[in-house]
Amino acid sequence: QSALTQPVSVSGSPGQSITISCTGTSSDIGTYAYVSWYQQHPGKAPKLMIYEVSNRPSGVSNRFSGSKSGNTASLTISGLQADDEADYYCSSYTGSNTLYVFGTGTKVTVL
Amino acid sequence: EVQLVESGGGLVQPGGSLRLSCAASGFAFSDHAMDWVRQAPGKGLEWVGRIEHRTKGHTTEYAASVKGRFTITRDDSKNSLYLQMDSLKAEDTAVYYCARVRVFGVEYDYWGQGALVTVS
Repeated sequence: QSALTQPVSVSGSPGQSITISCTGTSSDIGTYAYVSWYQQHPGKAPKLMIYEVSNRPSGVSNRFSGSKSGNTASLTISGLQADDEADYYCSSYTGSNTLYVFGTGTKVTVL
Repeated sequence: EVQLVESGGGLVQPGGSLRLSCAASGFAFSDHAMDWVRQAPGKGLEWVGRIEHRTKGHTTEYAASVKGRFTITRDDSKNSLYLQMDSLKAEDTAVYYCARVRVFGVEYDYWGQGALVTVS
């Protein structure tokens, strides 16, 4: 099971919107509505931002939204803020013995 | 407040063994599947393995990269999760996180702070 493909980096100015893509296969993203997104600040543990493609956990800003089309999922951050600068990882359930596969990670820079 | 606290990390020689622990508090530990996820220095996240909750018989699954070398166990009476790592290789060097699987879901809604394992 190969890692999901994400862009290495995405940047935007404060207040702008950015979108991070996450491309998998028909064995993971294309089959299961179990795509999640995690935010990780340097030296910290990951934090769940989106689950089941588009659901936000309690306490996560509605500036974060998720979607999926075919084998590709996306995370959009609107109204970009300085604290959004972090690494973002997508993840998908696979239904195989390798239960989960993570994305390669995207570094978000707020200009 | 949900807390997951890993311990037991450190420096070990190739071929050696190490046991990580994850102490859970603030929730019904026995009701949740628990996973281990690792992150090599400067790299991305990698799923290591899972142990199911009691109603699923504490069954386990492992990533191909660790299968046969790592063993995940839990003690619900102590609210604790364990990762026994044997035959360690340099490529096992990473920060190891324990993570709680959301009830009725598959995502990780809480993570520990991580434990660094260095194989050298």
